[in-house]
Amino acid sequence: AQSVTQLDSQVPVFEEAPVELRCNYSSSVSVYLFWYVQYPNQGLQLLLKYLSGSTLVKGINGFEAEFNKSQTSFHLRKPSVHISDTAEYFCAVSDGAGSARQLTFGSGTQLTVLP
Amino acid sequence: GAGVSQSPSNKVTEKGKDVELRCDPISGHTALYWYRQSLGQGLEFLIYFQGNSAPDKSGLPSDRFSAERTGGSVSTLTIQRTQQEDSAVYLCASSLPQLAGLQETQYFGPGTRLLVL
Repeated sequence: AQSVTQLDSQVPVFEEAPVELRCNYSSSVSVYLFWYVQYPNQGLQLLLKYLSGSTLVKGINGFEAEFNKSQTSFHLRKPSVHISDTAEYFCAVSDGAGSARQLTFGSGTQLTVLP
Repeated sequence: GAGVSQSPSNKVTEKGKDVELRCDPISGHTALYWYRQSLGQGLEFLIYFQGNSAPDKSGLPSDRFSAERTGGSVSTLTIQRTQQEDSAVYLCASSLPQLAGLQETQYFGPGTRLLVL
């Protein structure tokens, strides 16, 4: 069984400051990792994903994440946030095993960028 | 191209009524997923369709929930005898199949917000 933990339910940060949203996972097999963003009253939009290869993954809107197998983490970072980054961010994992490849999501982190 | 679409965007119903939620996946995507997003439960997997294979229903919370996918494209999620705890956002996602062992990327629709009074 796999699980995802997002320790911070809410992260307030001032505009142009750096931000890190934490994600830790547990899985007994190789994993695939994703970050999705959800703007108010909208569906989920893929930010970035780690499937294999380089552990540093760059996504849209200036976000990046680093896969750390020894620490079972996949933290999301942005060096300088904008007001428009205010949204809820979900980390998700899939082991791709079996016939179903459903995602297991964390509980989400609400990022609020303050002026 | 067009993304995943879902209808209705909002649905208000009375306890005990049946509801149908519709999902139109991205054209050519053979895999389709339903998820539920509710307060206190987060995002939960409900059901998965892949081509003509039997669906994976392991996430359905009760036998009041069912889903079908006609012609390998459009899917309908049906909730019978709705309860207040069914109130949630129901999200649909679709993906292209990949080679065995590789994880495809799921693309999500905007969701249907269901409120059961």
